[in-house]
Amino acid sequence: EAGVTQFPSHSVIEKGQTVTLRCDPISGHDNLYWYRRVMGKEIKFLLHFVKESKQDESGMPNNRFLAERTGGTYSTLKVQPAELEDSGVYFCASSRDQGTNSPLHFGNGTRLTVT
Amino acid sequence: GQNIDQPTEMTATEGAIVQINCTYQTSGFNGLFWYQQHAGEAPTFLSYNVLDGLEEKGRFSSFLSRSKGYSYLLLKELQMKDSASYLCAVSDFNKFYFGSGTKLNVKP
Repeated sequence: EAGVTQFPSHSVIEKGQTVTLRCDPISGHDNLYWYRRVMGKEIKFLLHFVKESKQDESGMPNNRFLAERTGGTYSTLKVQPAELEDSGVYFCASSRDQGTNSPLHFGNGTRLTVT
Repeated sequence: GQNIDQPTEMTATEGAIVQINCTYQTSGFNGLFWYQQHAGEAPTFLSYNVLDGLEEKGRFSSFLSRSKGYSYLLLKELQMKDSASYLCAVSDFNKFYFGSGTKLNVKP
């Protein structure tokens, strides 16, 4: 089966611009997660979709971040306007089961650099 | 709050055995995962422990002690391709919490 795919792999934007990241989960995986890793720090949870519904968005840093999953398939994460501290690697992950005893399948991540 | 600690970096020799430790303090516990991540690639699932004891999977084994909030990943017969970051992650029924990762350098 195809894995989790993310686009773009890299993005360099200026402060104040907008960037949209896309994630295509593994087919059939209802659970989709966004995580972020800032340089030198741990991978941190952003939010969790079950199908098209936001199950938990407690990790979203502020209202400059907007995630959507219309139709319950792929998801987008928009940052608008971007700030310097938004730089990092944004990972998407999916899992088949809702319980957190199922391993996450990660994409390769999008490396975002805000200058 | 949630806290997961693991060493930042370790170095070992090809063919040797290395143990990567992870200690955790979380409000809930529904399992501990180990992931391997090569530079620029996705973290990939290695092992899962929910009960105390040792889980063996080929050259890799993972141990869990829930009472001590402690786990380790044991890598045997190290190969150069094992050079990567190893992430410890704890699930607490609602979400996953990750450690900062241990960068393992395998030398010839």
